[in-house]
Amino acid sequence: GAVVSQHPSRVICKSGTSVKIECRSLDFQATTMFWYRQFPKQSLMLMATSNEGSKATYEQGVEKDKFLINHASLTLSTLTVTSAHPEDSSFYICSARPDSGNTIYFGEGSWLTVV
Amino acid sequence: AQSVAQPEDQVNVAEGNPLTVKCTYSVSGNPYLFWYVQYPNRGLQFLLKYITGDNLVKGSYGFEAEFNKSQTSFHLKKPSALVSDSALYFCAVRGGGYNKLIFGAGTRLAVHP
Repeated sequence: GAVVSQHPSRVICKSGTSVKIECRSLDFQATTMFWYRQFPKQSLMLMATSNEGSKATYEQGVEKDKFLINHASLTLSTLTVTSAHPEDSSFYICSARPDSGNTIYFGEGSWLTVV
Repeated sequence: AQSVAQPEDQVNVAEGNPLTVKCTYSVSGNPYLFWYVQYPNRGLQFLLKYITGDNLVKGSYGFEAEFNKSQTSFHLKKPSALVSDSALYFCAVRGGGYNKLIFGAGTRLAVHP
């Protein structure tokens, strides 16, 4: 199946700093990618839909100025958590849908710990 | 609005026995339905999907699911469970003209030797 790579898998940052997470579709083009957040033992919460070449669409309650999304190419979307706080610590997962298909494939996730 | 319900937080089954993980959905129009599995500290792995056609779909690792339009269900099944099937299973739906995938709460499957 299609492969989605997410990097870094784990990152620790200090409060007040920013951290960037990358999501790449390795063997397909994806006009649309998605960013999810998952709390321990909970389901995935959709944060935003990332659209190549245009602004991301954020879900209600997600601060777009805090969670910056850039989808600069058909194979790369980035999520930047700005001015991170400990409550931003979570498991962030990206996903991508091939332009030619219906299945959405997921990355391995990124653990963010803000200290 | 789209929604997915997984009524069981956990399903326990003995190795070798059949397993069922339940899922019901709500969406306007024709649904696209998916099952994913998540192992600890990992991303989600795609198992199977229903888009159109035969109501019984077969997927990875011997799993299958049956689409039932009248009951708005898409239960995941496997004839003979393995201990290695123990994981968190998510049902998801896309439809109603929306591009995004909405997930159920997840069901933890525990297969005992």
